[in-house]
Amino acid sequence: EAQVTQNPRYLITVTGKKLTVTCSQNMNHEYMSWYRQDPGLGLRQIYYSMNVEVTDKGDVPEGYKVSRKEKRNFPLILESPSPNQTSLYFCASSLWGQGNEKLFFGSGTQLSVL
Amino acid sequence: AQTVTQSQPEMSVQEAETVTLSCTYDTSESDYYLFWYKQPPSRQMILVIRQEAYKQQNATENRFSVNFQKAAKSFSLKISDSQLGDAAMYFCAYRSAAGNQFYFGTGTSLTVIP
Repeated sequence: EAQVTQNPRYLITVTGKKLTVTCSQNMNHEYMSWYRQDPGLGLRQIYYSMNVEVTDKGDVPEGYKVSRKEKRNFPLILESPSPNQTSLYFCASSLWGQGNEKLFFGSGTQLSVL
Repeated sequence: AQTVTQSQPEMSVQEAETVTLSCTYDTSESDYYLFWYKQPPSRQMILVIRQEAYKQQNATENRFSVNFQKAAKSFSLKISDSQLGDAAMYFCAYRSAAGNQFYFGTGTSLTVIP
């Protein structure tokens, strides 16, 4: 089954404790991206990647890191989480080239930073 | 950064009736793509419909259709014969043909009244 697998679904942590949210897709998609969803703000793009070893900042990259060492994986790293990073996070992937390709989303990760 | 505006935080509709969700966007580009995504309580993001800016014909997917007004930079979603399963948060999204980022609106929460 074609899917984007994102783990964990829920995560509670404390300020400053490094964490990684994993994202993997099995569709051989070139494009992968991370978003955070906050009430009243919608989804905002954190980082995206056009292919292996090619990553770029979205609108809200501060406090986050990503890597794309393999085509299928695109982890999101919070090296020193802070309470303002409490949010619902989504990973998404798509083919790239024609422009109207739809994003396939993971199930989301609800992160709480205490 | 592009701006996508959804001016209706909440909407409601009677079952079997028709409802229209509004979306406007700000861009100086002529070639781009527009999307509507649905997020039910399960929080899974699902593509509802998409529109290429170069196409004059409005996109239609079963009970879902759009009214794309390029000059007005408006992209509204019409849901006909509303069903209980249509209750969800709806997000409008924009992607430039020349760019690699997606921009989402703040969402409209749709309630369907039995």
